Amino acid sequence: DVKVTQSSRYLVKRTGEKVFLECVQDMDHENMFWYRQDPGLGLRLIYFSYDVKMKEKGDIPEGYSVSREKKERFSLILESASTNQTSMYLCASSAPGTSAYNEQFFGPGTRLTVL
Amino acid sequence: AQTVTQSQPEMSVQEAETVTLSCTYDTSENNYYLFWYKQPPSRQMILVIRQEAYKQQNATENRFSVNFQKAAKSFSLKISDSQLGDTAMYFCAFGRGSTLGRLYFGRGTQLTVWP
Repeated sequence: DVKVTQSSRYLVKRTGEKVFLECVQDMDHENMFWYRQDPGLGLRLIYFSYDVKMKEKGDIPEGYSVSREKKERFSLILESASTNQTSMYLCASSAPGTSAYNEQFFGPGTRLTVL
Repeated sequence: AQTVTQSQPEMSVQEAETVTLSCTYDTSENNYYLFWYKQPPSRQMILVIRQEAYKQQNATENRFSVNFQKAAKSFSLKISDSQLGDTAMYFCAFGRGSTLGRLYFGRGTQLTVWP
């Protein structure tokens, strides 16, 4: 089975701190994604990556950056955390579109609180 | 941009009854995939069912089935013999047939199953 892990289930940070959220997948997937989930807004795509060192902006990239130095690891970085970045963050991975019908496999999520 | 609309923020059903969750989408693509994901209180997103747009036959997975109306761009999820464990947030998602694997999610429907 595909396994996607995230470094923390819960995280509390202070305004202005630099925050790293880590995601690791063990199925050799090319594609990886970071979403934020807020009540009533569903999942919104922040960034995604379809190869090592490649990245694409999603719908809400402002205030975030990403890093993908190895195929299995995709990091989300909040350069200077703000209270409006308090949210649930979900990581996902998928194989290329020619297989598995673009199905994405999700991690358990990180609930980030910025004080 | 692709849009996915779930018009029912909340629904409830009694155990053993049948419930249908609605989803509509907007696209000019001809090759695409549709998904229903489930997010229980544990927060782990799980794929419930998927449908390839080129297939006319509606997908079925045990108690879960879809009503895929391509011309109407409608993709509803029917849950038969509802169980308490079906209580979750359900997300409808659209994926284009491309290698980037991006999915577009609706805002979700919170389903509560009552004993």
